Amino acid sequence: AQSVAQPEDQVNVAEGNPLTVKCTYSVSGNPYLFWYVQYPNRGLQFLLKYITGDNLVKGSYGFEAEFNKSQTSFHLKKPSALVSDSALYFCAVRGLNSGNTPLVFGKGTRLSVIA
Amino acid sequence: EPEVTQTPSHQVTQMGQEVILRCVPISNHLYFYWYRQILGQKVEFLVSFYNNEISEKSEIFDDQFSVERPDGSNFTLKIRSTKLEDSAMYFCASSVDRAGPHNEQFFGPGTRLTVL
Repeated sequence: AQSVAQPEDQVNVAEGNPLTVKCTYSVSGNPYLFWYVQYPNRGLQFLLKYITGDNLVKGSYGFEAEFNKSQTSFHLKKPSALVSDSALYFCAVRGLNSGNTPLVFGKGTRLSVIA
Repeated sequence: EPEVTQTPSHQVTQMGQEVILRCVPISNHLYFYWYRQILGQKVEFLVSFYNNEISEKSEIFDDQFSVERPDGSNFTLKIRSTKLEDSAMYFCASSVDRAGPHNEQFFGPGTRLTVL
């Protein structure tokens, strides 16, 4: 069975500092990994995905994520946080042969960027 | 940029009543999904829909739930007799017509269902 763990409920960071939101996964075979962000009163917005190739994936709004197969992790990062990055972040996974089957989500991590 | 839309944004109902949650997926998408998120918990899959039939459903999606694409644009989730534990945020999502696990899903803003 596929699963995702986001070990931190809340991450606080000062504006201008680098941020990391952690995600580990469990899946049979190679994974497809996704990050979504949820702003207040908005739906889940796609940020980035890892399919294959370069372990460092770049996405929207200056975010990037690093795929680490040995540690089964896909941590979300940004070199310099903005107050506007404050939101709820979800990591999600699908197995390689899953077709269009559903995403399995983590519980979410609330990021708070303080000015 | 095209978006998935959902109505209503908030629905309050009495236990035992029927509710219908509505979604308009992105127009060229052919795969549709419903997820829900109980307050403070993770986003959970309910059902996927393709070619006018259910592709996959979770254990949560019991006989009280049904989905329909009545007119080629709307995608609805019906709960026949709501229970207190159905209170959650319900998200609709859609994805493009190409099969493949690398396709991201596009989500609507959600409908917050409160069952009293």
